[in-house]
Amino acid sequence: GAGVSQSPSNKVTEKGKDVELRCDPISGHTALYWYRQSLGQGLEFLIYFQGNSAPDKSGLPSDRFSAERTGGSVSTLTIQRTQQEDSAVYLCASSLVPAGGPDTQYFGPGTRLTVL
Amino acid sequence: AQSVAQPEDQVNVAEGNPLTVKCTYSVSGNPYLFWYVQYPNRGLQFLLKYITGDNLVKGSYGFEAEFNKSQTSFHLKKPSALVSDSALYFCAVRDRGNNDMRFGAGTRLTVKP
Repeated sequence: GAGVSQSPSNKVTEKGKDVELRCDPISGHTALYWYRQSLGQGLEFLIYFQGNSAPDKSGLPSDRFSAERTGGSVSTLTIQRTQQEDSAVYLCASSLVPAGGPDTQYFGPGTRLTVL
Repeated sequence: AQSVAQPEDQVNVAEGNPLTVKCTYSVSGNPYLFWYVQYPNRGLQFLLKYITGDNLVKGSYGFEAEFNKSQTSFHLKKPSALVSDSALYFCAVRDRGNNDMRFGAGTRLTVKP
């Protein structure tokens, strides 16, 4: 596709359930990022993937959060035992140049997660 | 550690007037600086970035930003605002060599006709 896509666009779940959020980056982009945007807040960095290197997980808020990237393309962000404070918009971005360089990140439309 | 501050939650301007959205940053080394715009129910769109060289950076939709190292600022500007510029604007900074980018809390720009 022409841009970064994310699914689902909206997800409503009950507290304690697990959820999976999907990101399809722009074809050929080697770097992939996950961010969280809470209401009234800026974007919070969660995790970064670059090629086959070990991901940078320094932004994950707890061990309930994990992510994987299969085949260097599609990524899945998993939140286990969801809590109400996990409610937010989860944004995925991809870029062509490895992190640390002057790359431009291209963002998907986000997944709005609501935990009841 | 790097950080970004956008001191104004909201900026209101009249159509046709110049606009400024403020951003200051803190990094330990030399920064890469970015501006993104978010329209309602849309993802973030890249506007412009500063890498090195000329301190005045021109970007999409007539926006520009000036890198001021002494004031550690990267304010976004446009000479003549349009109603369609109304959106949420985010400033972001990356310390060179780091993986994560720090975003500001965002400034909501409203341009009134």
